[in-house]
Amino acid sequence: GAVVSQHPSRVICKSGTSVKIECRSLDFQATTMFWYRQFPKQSLMLMATSNEGSKATYEQGVEKDKFLINHASLTLSTLTVTSAHPEDSSFYICSAPKTGDWETQYFGPGTRLLVL
Amino acid sequence: AQTVTQSQPEMSVQEAETVTLSCTYDTSESDYYLFWYKQPPSRQMILVIRQEAYKQQNATENRFSVNFQKAAKSFSLKISDSQLGDAAMYFCAYRSPYGGSQGNLIFGKGTKLSVKP
Repeated sequence: GAVVSQHPSRVICKSGTSVKIECRSLDFQATTMFWYRQFPKQSLMLMATSNEGSKATYEQGVEKDKFLINHASLTLSTLTVTSAHPEDSSFYICSAPKTGDWETQYFGPGTRLLVL
Repeated sequence: AQTVTQSQPEMSVQEAETVTLSCTYDTSESDYYLFWYKQPPSRQMILVIRQEAYKQQNATENRFSVNFQKAAKSFSLKISDSQLGDAAMYFCAYRSPYGGSQGNLIFGKGTKLSVKP
């Protein structure tokens, strides 16, 4: 199977600071990566679609200036939560299909963000 | 827009018994993919089983099988010989047939499965 990593696995930050979360496809190339957010005991909600070499596509209601996404290479996408607030505390998960094999998505282990 | 509904927030099964988790979906597309994912306490999403809508045959993976009823837009998961390690949140998910940036998953709200020893 394919492996997707996320870093960090958990982060605690103060309100007003920015936090960067990395999503890497370790053994395959991914021109597209998806970022999901999961609140406690809830489902995964798509936040944005990250496309290598182009701008990300954000879902309705997701502030693109607050959740900055950069997909600089075929194996790395980053999500930066800018000026984080306690309501941004959540579990963030990325996923990626293999380029050319769209049927299955591979998920990262997730990042738990706590904003104090 | 497509939607996925899981009507059972929680289910419980005795070890070694069989349990069925329900999932219905709504779509106007004729071709698509359906998935069941397992999320244990570690929160790592694990693919359990996948079904292509154009295939009439129900998918099977060892103790896991699905009952795919395309006309009824139903996609239930049957777990046979339940094991303690099966305890987790189970999410039903839908994906359009297109790849690339349109290939995101649409998830149901999940069913929490408990397995009693």
